[in-house]
Amino acid sequence: GAVVSQHPSRVICKSGTSVKIECRSLDFQATTMFWYRQFPKQSLMLMATSNEGSKATYEQGVEKDKFLINHASLTLSTLTVTSAHPEDSSFYICSARDLGLAGGQSYEQYFGPGTRLTVT
Amino acid sequence: AQSVAQPEDQVNVAEGNPLTVKCTYSVSGNPYLFWYVQYPNRGLQFLLKYITGDNLVKGSYGFEAEFNKSQTSFHLKKPSALVSDSALYFCAVRDPDKLIFGTGTRLQVFP
Repeated sequence: GAVVSQHPSRVICKSGTSVKIECRSLDFQATTMFWYRQFPKQSLMLMATSNEGSKATYEQGVEKDKFLINHASLTLSTLTVTSAHPEDSSFYICSARDLGLAGGQSYEQYFGPGTRLTVT
Repeated sequence: AQSVAQPEDQVNVAEGNPLTVKCTYSVSGNPYLFWYVQYPNRGLQFLLKYITGDNLVKGSYGFEAEFNKSQTSFHLKKPSALVSDSALYFCAVRDPDKLIFGTGTRLQVFP
């Protein structure tokens, strides 16, 4: 149980284009999903918290107009990188909290396999 | 603000030997602590957590962690390391509805 998928696993796009990454909880409902960015050999940087049916909460320094997050259902959140540039190249990871585990109070997160974005 | 620190960038251990990956925390209130493992080009996998109760927490793949309040530590341990345990390990703390991760420790188990 508690499986999170991401699509695509790897994407290459040209500078100036937009890329959408999907995050799905496959066997549980997630009112809250999280989007992280990970640079090589570095820790995870939380970008934003995505709440189903409401606006995402962005961490300080993250451009909300550049990284658009939509959480339209209890099982799907999307991250769109708009007008991508080479510096946006990174490993993007989503995670979700299982609402069903102790009413969502367990606080552990289940992570997707990540999406490697390369902007040329 | 809550934080965790992982003082070692890398830990090397021989297969069959016990391993320890260190984590210390700084929190206000009761800590909710977690360990995750990441294999190359993969997301993180949950290993174990401490919320309350016994100080020794058992998790997946034979890992365990010891919560030590006086030393504000939550070290990850395994009695006998496997080559397949080689990966990147992250300690994390709840703050309050999100997780704050440490910088990660690369564990290398050599045959």
